Amino acid sequence: EPEVTQTPSHQVTQMGQEVILRCVPISNHLYFYWYRQILGQKVEFLVSFYNNEISEKSEIFDDQFSVERPDGSNFTLKIRSTKLEDSAMYFCASSEDRYYEQYFGPGTRLTVT
Amino acid sequence: AQRVTQPEKLLSVFKGAPVELKCNYSYSGSPELFWYVQYSRQRLQLLLRHISRESIKGFTADLNKGETSFHLKKPFAQEEDSAMYYCALSGGQAGTALIFGKGTTLSVSS
Repeated sequence: EPEVTQTPSHQVTQMGQEVILRCVPISNHLYFYWYRQILGQKVEFLVSFYNNEISEKSEIFDDQFSVERPDGSNFTLKIRSTKLEDSAMYFCASSEDRYYEQYFGPGTRLTVT
Repeated sequence: AQRVTQPEKLLSVFKGAPVELKCNYSYSGSPELFWYVQYSRQRLQLLLRHISRESIKGFTADLNKGETSFHLKKPFAQEEDSAMYYCALSGGQAGTALIFGKGTTLSVSS
């Protein structure tokens, strides 16, 4: 069964550095998403992406964040200048269409030191 | 404001006992509600959604608009049901964002 994959599984970075988290959505899916979960807190929506542009974003998704689909398979989340509070598990998800089931990846644990 | 509340952080039951995981929501309009489950060391996966009205792995959930609730129920818990359960609603401006509750850990012991 096709699955969403994410790399790396764990990323450690220093405050102020740029990080890129990578995701490969399920191949026939059209909508892509990023969520994050700070330890002990709820899963929070960051952004949805469709047809090569942002469909919707939350207040968390400020100017330090960006998303891109650089080729036909990858979907990336870039954090320009990481802060300590960016430490979290980041989940990628994809869905066939707008109101369809969202399939989640295993997550990337980002640790900012 | 769009919000999902799961009041219990942990629910511990014995095998064979009934289970009810509570979920309340705040949403203006007609919400679409989901239960997601995360088993140990596995990814988040959809358990059920209210529009399908299915029973998955013996779990059911009924949307009660009057009480703004979407509680998850199972008449007889099994040990393999032990997991983290998240209630979520489809919200945001474009309806693509999943708004999650904090989750309830269900622990079923023999």
